[in-house]
Amino acid sequence: GAGVSQTPSNKVTEKGKYVELRCDPISGHTALYWYRQSLGQGPEFLIYFQGTGAADDSGLPNDRFFAVRPEGSVSTLKIQRTERGDSAVYLCASSLGSRETQYFGPGTRLLVL
Amino acid sequence: AQSVTQLDSQVPVFEEAPVELRCNYSSSVSVYLFWYVQYPNQGLQLLLKYLSGSTLVKGINGFEAEFNKSQTSFHLRKPSVHISDTAEYFCAVTDPNAGGTSYGKLTFGQGTILTVHP
Repeated sequence: GAGVSQTPSNKVTEKGKYVELRCDPISGHTALYWYRQSLGQGPEFLIYFQGTGAADDSGLPNDRFFAVRPEGSVSTLKIQRTERGDSAVYLCASSLGSRETQYFGPGTRLLVL
Repeated sequence: AQSVTQLDSQVPVFEEAPVELRCNYSSSVSVYLFWYVQYPNQGLQLLLKYLSGSTLVKGINGFEAEFNKSQTSFHLRKPSVHISDTAEYFCAVTDPNAGGTSYGKLTFGQGTILTVHP
């Protein structure tokens, strides 16, 4: 079956611009996670959704970052006033529930010039 | 907060040689442990996981890992590697006793790049 998909696969933007990154989880998965992977580092947790609500957003670095999942399926990570330090691969994962195996998408590579 | 240390950033080996990728985690009363693999231009894929029970865990593609509570380690091993095992490997941990909203929050190590040479 279809896995987790993320669009776009690559995004280049200029400092100060607004970007949206999309995640389509595996059908039926109620839990959805966003992670950020900087060059040479392991993924770092950003936010976790259970259904439509953000159950844990403790990893969001500042208020420029926001994520939504309005219908409990697709999620969008939104970054305002992008900075060069936001350049990274943004990973999305989904699971049947919070205690189940997480399945990762291929990521969106964001480059802020 | 949990932390994970992967002691080797790069491990070069020859094909058919054994390999061990090392992982240590910060001490906690209990942990769930995972190894993920990331092939070039692909997403993270679960290799194996330790939740409870036998400390020797077998995963896909012939990999296994051993949970050692006294040494807070979860090293990944394969007795004979193939060229196709070339990838980056990540160790991750979560706290099963965390609240329901935090259980799934994985903490990853920095990764180990395994390069298998012919």
